[in-house]
Amino acid sequence: AQSVSQHNHHVILSEAASLELGCNYSYGGTVNLFWYVQYPGQHLQLLLKYFSGDPLVKGIKGFEAEFIKSKFSFNLRKPSVQWSDTAEYFCAVNVNTGGFKTIFGAGTRLFVKA
Amino acid sequence: EAGVAQSPRYKIIEKRQSVAFWCNPISGHATLYWYQQILGQGPKLLIQFQNNGVVDDSQLPKDRFSAERLKGVDSTLKIQPAKLEDSAVYLCASSLRDRGPNEQFFGPGTRLTVL
Repeated sequence: AQSVSQHNHHVILSEAASLELGCNYSYGGTVNLFWYVQYPGQHLQLLLKYFSGDPLVKGIKGFEAEFIKSKFSFNLRKPSVQWSDTAEYFCAVNVNTGGFKTIFGAGTRLFVKA
Repeated sequence: EAGVAQSPRYKIIEKRQSVAFWCNPISGHATLYWYQQILGQGPKLLIQFQNNGVVDDSQLPKDRFSAERLKGVDSTLKIQPAKLEDSAVYLCASSLRDRGPNEQFFGPGTRLTVL
């Protein structure tokens, strides 16, 4: 069965530190990849997505992610985090198994210290 | 653009009772999803509708859960009877296209507590 693994459940960083959140998936076919973010008290919202083309994709608020097909990975990065990046981050994989199905990882809670 | 609306926002019931959740997707969105998010886990798809037809309900516990999307617009999810393990946030999401991958827009969720 398809699955998504996020390596860190909780991450604590100081402002201006660099961020990398890991995401690996298990599916051998074509995938579409997403990172969603949930800020405190807000809805889940899209941070960035990859469907095809350049494997390095840029999203909102300075986030980027790199799709490495050989490693089945789609890690999220930001060179310098801000206190306002405190949120929960979910990696999601969309696969076509006769219909498009989205599988979410368990999420990573990021806390940025001011 | 109005977002995905859900009600109620919170619900507390006792086990074996019934409960229903309502979702109104973004206008024009063909696809509607219901997810269950248990504390500490990511959202798990329960059912996906394309217009008013079911695309995927493979993870819906059909002995107690049911969902419908009449007229291809709003949707209701029902649990009857509820169990303690149904305590979770129930998320509704919608997306624009009726086929292919695309961004999902999420509602605020309904937090269900089963005592």
